[in-house]
Amino acid sequence: DIVMTQTPLSSPVTLGQPASISCRSSQSLVHSDGNTYLSWLHQRPGQPPRLLIYKISNRFSGVPDRFSGSGAGTDFTLKISRVEAEDVGFYYCAQATHSPWTFGQGTKVEIK
Amino acid sequence: EVQLVESGGGLVKPGVSLRVSCAASGFTFSTYNMIWVRQAPGMGLEWIALITGDSSIISYGDSVKGRFTISRDNAKNSLFLQMSSLRVEDTAVYYCARDGGCSGGNCYGTIDYWGQGTQVTVSS
Repeated sequence: DIVMTQTPLSSPVTLGQPASISCRSSQSLVHSDGNTYLSWLHQRPGQPPRLLIYKISNRFSGVPDRFSGSGAGTDFTLKISRVEAEDVGFYYCAQATHSPWTFGQGTKVEIK
Repeated sequence: EVQLVESGGGLVKPGVSLRVSCAASGFTFSTYNMIWVRQAPGMGLEWIALITGDSSIISYGDSVKGRFTISRDNAKNSLFLQMSSLRVEDTAVYYCARDGGCSGGNCYGTIDYWGQGTQVTVSS
């Protein structure tokens, strides 16, 4: 199975300041169809995850433009340009290039 | 509006069986692959099963293979997970989720919608 490793595991941030989360996969996530199926999810306490970013850098419907994704191959990054109070919670990277789909262990974003 | 509503969770003893269900609405259910993902207490997310829209392809994670069965009833817009020989380590919130599929030539390649989840607790 593909192992997804996120860093950091915890990220205390100041409101209005940027935040960045890295995700590394144990193998390339480039699919045979040429796409890279790497996505980012956000989970608030007591809530299900919700999709933020798909295929590395595409924001899902309704996701604010302060969220952006980048990367290629095995190294990917989620950036929040200015953290807002509603952004707290866990962030997960996920890959769907290889079966079984796998997730990172999660990064906790909290306000300082 | 896409809605996924799970039901059927509960407290059970090790070794017994349990079936959880997911009622889907707001989209053409039969045209989407569906997935079950679970989350153990305080832990991350684990993909456990996928079924294609026409049930022609089914796959499982290694931790549940041979014990869990995913199925669907497209006439009733419902997804199921039959869980047998339950273990303490199967304790988790079980989420029903939709594979985003492709729309207008754009393939999401990920889960786009999640249900609220149903708690399954296996304990003696």
